[in-house]
Amino acid sequence: DAGVTQSPTHLIKTRGQHVTLRCSPISGHKSVSWYQQVLGQGPQFIFQYYEKEERGRGNFPDRFSARQFPNYSSELNVNALLLGDSALYLCASSPAPGQTSEKLFFGSGTQLSVL
Amino acid sequence: GQQLNQSPQSMFIQEGEDVSMNCTSSSIFNTWLWYKQEPGEGPVLLIALYKAGELTSNGRLTAQFGITRKDSFLNISASIPSDVGIYFCAGQLGGTYKYIFGTGTRLKVLA
Repeated sequence: DAGVTQSPTHLIKTRGQHVTLRCSPISGHKSVSWYQQVLGQGPQFIFQYYEKEERGRGNFPDRFSARQFPNYSSELNVNALLLGDSALYLCASSPAPGQTSEKLFFGSGTQLSVL
Repeated sequence: GQQLNQSPQSMFIQEGEDVSMNCTSSSIFNTWLWYKQEPGEGPVLLIALYKAGELTSNGRLTAQFGITRKDSFLNISASIPSDVGIYFCAGQLGGTYKYIFGTGTRLKVLA
């Protein structure tokens, strides 16, 4: 079975541009989370979506937005890119949030470089 | 952003040695997950813990959910070169859906 798939794998943008990152969860998983990982640090929570609704949001500015589609895939959008947005963006899927035996499975990420 | 305290930050060990690392917080967590990440890749789930005091193994890896629910521990026995990587803990805050990650332990194994 395919794991979590993310596209593109690498992306180079300039300041002020907009970017869209895509994620397909593991088949049967209905929850998708997005994390930002800056070099040398652990991942930071951005969003969680379940059944197309936002269930949680981290401490990120409104330039960051996301949505989940009926097939449970998800997009992360970042507007007005800043140099500090350069990071590895990770998507994680789980069957459903808040379960007593929840496991979070990550994709390989999208490496975003803002010049 | 918020991160859990993870120690040691990095370690060099000889092949065959045992490794211990831990993750601590001032907050109580409902779930602890341990991951390994290699360069250019996403974190790979190693072990999941759901109850205070729980001890779970996955091959040479053993992890424990601290009884205070504020910490967790990971042990690797008889390390091998392919154990090289960065190990992260992640705790799920009660009443939320988000996981807070540790600062990472970078493991280097000397053959």
